[in-house]
Amino acid sequence: DAGVIQSPRHEVTEMGQEVTLRCKPISGHNSLFWYRQTMMRGLELLIYFNNNVPIDDSGMPEDRFSAKMPNASFSTLKIQPSEPRDSAVYFCASSLDGPYEQYFGPGTRLTVT
Amino acid sequence: AQSVTQLGSHVSVSEGALVLLRCNYSSSVPPYLFWYVQYPNQGLQLLLKYTTGATLVKGINGFEAEFKKSETSFHLTKPSAHMSDAAEYFCAVSLSSGSARQLTFGSGTQLTVLP
Repeated sequence: DAGVIQSPRHEVTEMGQEVTLRCKPISGHNSLFWYRQTMMRGLELLIYFNNNVPIDDSGMPEDRFSAKMPNASFSTLKIQPSEPRDSAVYFCASSLDGPYEQYFGPGTRLTVT
Repeated sequence: AQSVTQLGSHVSVSEGALVLLRCNYSSSVPPYLFWYVQYPNQGLQLLLKYTTGATLVKGINGFEAEFKKSETSFHLTKPSAHMSDAAEYFCAVSLSSGSARQLTFGSGTQLTVLP
């Protein structure tokens, strides 16, 4: 199994630019999670989807952040416009329903200058 | 609502010594409990999990954890530390009800293994 795939692995952009992070969950998994990890705030859940439907987006920092899951095999997290404080590692994870663990992707390291 | 507290943000042990990483949880319903490990510049990898049944669970790389309901704890142990165990470890809890299993993570414990 290929595992959770994220792209790009590294992204460097200037403040004000749009950033799009991509995630392909493990085939057959019906829950998808986006996390942000920083030294200051640790691991934060941003949003999660179940069967392609957003269930809880209360962790999304502000309106500059948006996430979509158009089908079971693809999700995006978009930041527009980006700011230096958005610099972090963004993880995507997927799981099955029930008492099952989440499988994490390798992450996207975002640097906003 | 559920929460997780990991005691000690940094733990250092000598190679060959016992590893003990502490995790306490709070949950209004029976919890599912997880330990994840994160190596530098990598994603989180599952070490072990407790859902139901036997309270002592064994995971990968010689780690194990015991669910103690009376103490609301799920401490992670390994009898003999290896240099390759140096990493950050996260305890997580999810509720045993509802469809999508949202995890709540602790703040992490950085394990250093000294030669």
